[in-house]
Amino acid sequence: DTEVTQTPKHLVMGMTNKKSLKCEQHMGHRAMYWYKQKAKKPPELMFVYSYEKLSINESVPSRFSPECPNSSLLNLHLHALQPEDSALYLCASSQVRGFLIGTNYGYTFGSGTRLTVV
Amino acid sequence: AQSVTQLDSHVSVSEGTPVLLRCNYSSSYSPSLFWYVQHPNKGLQLLLKYTSAATLVKGINGFEAEFKKSETSFHLTKPSAHMSDAAEYFCVVLPHNAGNNRKLIWGLGTSLAVNP
Repeated sequence: DTEVTQTPKHLVMGMTNKKSLKCEQHMGHRAMYWYKQKAKKPPELMFVYSYEKLSINESVPSRFSPECPNSSLLNLHLHALQPEDSALYLCASSQVRGFLIGTNYGYTFGSGTRLTVV
Repeated sequence: AQSVTQLDSHVSVSEGTPVLLRCNYSSSYSPSLFWYVQHPNKGLQLLLKYTSAATLVKGINGFEAEFKKSETSFHLTKPSAHMSDAAEYFCVVLPHNAGNNRKLIWGLGTSLAVNP
């Protein structure tokens, strides 16, 4: 299995809703990432988990709450989002060599969740 | 400071003609370099990567790129464009600086249109 699977593919939520995005990989990668991508822009890093521990939080608002329950799963919990949070949310994974995150082997990205906040 | 510049925000070619997408980087450390492709409403797919081995790198779907250290460039080429190549292309740098938590540095992307 060489894929990163993200669910759901599309999500529409109100500003008072609570929802979760899910990401799963079975490649044995021990680094997992959440990215946010606006239309026609490059992805922006949000969070990095290494060995199931939060390693990087790029000053993301607390209405986004990541969780890594095991080495194959990564969740992003959403609460009280704003319309400007509408975007494509991408999950990625990679090998971890020693303590260095993001090795030469490249990252495997999922197809993303298209989120619309109304 | 590390940076990536994709010299063209939009490139338009005819089907069957060569493709050239240009990328220059700035890095204090010898980096790894990647090209990713993103088709409309899809995720990102790794096209090819340079990791300090051969300077001419072959990727998927007939794409290749040449690492030129003297020019700090990593241009993406393909001899003959296909309609299915129409997509957004991102040049990405991973600097090999010391310490943990190295981060990908993304170019702004080049939108490739292929005309019949």
